[in-house]
Amino acid sequence: GQNIDQPTEMTATEGAIVQINCTYQTSGFNGLFWYQQHAGEAPTFLSYNVLDGLEEKGRFSSFLSRSKGYSYLLLKELQMKDSASYLCAVRPYNTNAGKSTFGDGTTLTVKP
Amino acid sequence: NAGVTQTPKFRILKIGQSMTLQCTQDMNHNYMYWYRQDPGMGLKLIYYSVGAGITDKGEVPNGYNVSRSTTEDFPLRLELAAPSQTSVYFCASSKRDAGSNQPQHFGDGTRLSIL
Repeated sequence: GQNIDQPTEMTATEGAIVQINCTYQTSGFNGLFWYQQHAGEAPTFLSYNVLDGLEEKGRFSSFLSRSKGYSYLLLKELQMKDSASYLCAVRPYNTNAGKSTFGDGTTLTVKP
Repeated sequence: NAGVTQTPKFRILKIGQSMTLQCTQDMNHNYMYWYRQDPGMGLKLIYYSVGAGITDKGEVPNGYNVSRSTTEDFPLRLELAAPSQTSVYFCASSKRDAGSNQPQHFGDGTRLSIL
């Protein structure tokens, strides 16, 4: 089975840095995705990690430690438009269908 | 540049009615998925398909059916609508690959209420 944990809500200030954590316990592991979902909209892909370490993409970075079952999404220079839900999704090893299991998401509120 | 298209965007059903949620993609993706998302929750997989003619159950398939007659289309059928099926439904697709690093592309969702 799969178990994915994320904080339910976080609040941060415009211009600051915020780290959103995700821990997982899965029967296999073949990659971890982060998606952004604005209220009332569809999720959109942010990042992918399969090897340990940090992947940087502009203001967004994602880190993975496979031995600890842990990932985080780091958002720098926060903007008001970053207010959204951030979903962590794990792809287990034993699938040939591209399936992912999603966490419940972390709702981030950016305040002025 | 349509991507994944879902119709309708909103629908209200009475208990016991049936309906089909439509999903089509123009990216020639092999894999397609149906999820439901309840308020404040993540995405729960209902059904998925690895190609035309092949479908399989996800985490929460009860009360739903799917078909995949073409690569492009993956409709979701509710036969006897129940209040517990009130949710937002997302269709998604992804490319088949050996490295498994292909993300899922989502439609805009169908907001369904059963009264």
